[in-house]
Parts: sequence; C-alpha cells; structure tokens
Amino acid sequence: QKEVEQNSGPLSVPEGAIASLNCTYSDRGSQSFFWYRQYSGKSPELIMFIYSNGDKEDGRFTAQLNKASQYVSLLIRDSQPSDSATYLCAVIGGRKSSYKLIFGSGTRLLVRP
Amino acid sequence: SQTIHQWPATLVQPVGSPLSLECTVEGTSNPNLYWYRQAAGRGLQLLFYSVGIGQISSEVPQNLSASRPQDRQFILSSKKLLLSDSGFYLCAWSESSNQPQHFGDGTRLSIL
Repeated sequence: QKEVEQNSGPLSVPEGAIASLNCTYSDRGSQSFFWYRQYSGKSPELIMFIYSNGDKEDGRFTAQLNKASQYVSLLIRDSQPSDSATYLCAVIGGRKSSYKLIFGSGTRLLVRP
Repeated sequence: SQTIHQWPATLVQPVGSPLSLECTVEGTSNPNLYWYRQAAGRGLQLLFYSVGIGQISSEVPQNLSASRPQDRQFILSSKKLLLSDSGFYLCAWSESSNQPQHFGDGTRLSIL
C-alpha cells in the first residue's frame, strides 16, 4: 500500500464547476497535510495546509480533513482554465519521521473552457 | 518575506563529470532545508535534509552528497554523475519540521 494515494486522473471539469481532488494516507499518526499545485515543468507551489479535522477555506480553495477515515480532499470552486495543473497531496508527522514530507503521485486536473 | 533561490535553472552534463547545485534562502534564520529529485513523470523523492549548519541527513544512498556551509545555504554535489542522476532537482525550506515546505524554481539536470 502506498503511503499517500491519489488518483492520477486526468480529472476533467468544465470552467466554473467545482473540482474535487481526493487523497488517502496510510500512517494514522500523520499530523500535517498539504496540497501543492505543480504546473508542467515548474516547481510545486503550496496551495493549502490543514492540521485539524474539518474544513479550511481560502478563497476558491477548501481543504477537508477526516483523520478517522485517513482522508484529505481539496475542493476548487469556480474552476478556471488556469487551474489546470497537477495537484500533489503531501503528509508529514507520521510514525516513520516527523520531518519527512510524503508526497502522493499527483492528480492531473484539466479545466475545459 | 522569505525567498528561495536555486541555480542554475538548467544544466547539461556528461556522464562522469562533477556536479554542484546551490540553494540559498533569504528572510529567515535557521530554516530546515531539503533537496528533492523528481524524475520525469514520477513523484518527489527526498534526497537530503538539514536542520542546521553542518547537519545533513541522507534519505537515499547514492552518489550524491549535500553540505550546509552557512545557515541559509544548501549545496548538492556529486563527484561523478551517472545517467540515472538526470531529473528535476528541487530545494525547499521550512520554518520547522512539520511546517509547510516552500520550493525553489528547481534545476533541470540532463546527463549525456
């Protein structure tokens, strides 16, 4: 079982729709959770981070965390073509180490104009 | 505000040649520093991390090494590059171990 799992996609949504990106993790001791956006050929850019169960909103982005289900999600409202990118889920603070950011392989999002 | 600089942006090197990639962080002190590699179409792999000057931990045994000669400077080196060393090398920093990591623009390394 991979430590952080994401559907590779592509997830295709029309412009203006809500894009829902999902991530599961295997280490129940994980404490911090991050979403990064990576455009093709560029470095990852931090979008959201969440530490506690529930929802955290920032502009068009909402991160949701359910530690009991070991599940993290990212919702993008009013999706724009410029949101087309690969979204990486990452977790830290599990049993294996407190410093190591474990990345999923990413979900490619395509927003159709 | 904090900024992170990596150079060069691209590099083409022959097999067996040495390597030195540099990363510097501004606007913070005593950051945690990290080197990652992303192979084409693959995920991010942590290579080295450092919590202070001269303190380096290696995640993956290989022909690469890292050094931290100053608080905000992190260097990735190799004495002899292999074809398998090709990839996108990323430096990152964080305030502490469980805080968000922020990435530099990366160095795309091609080995011929």
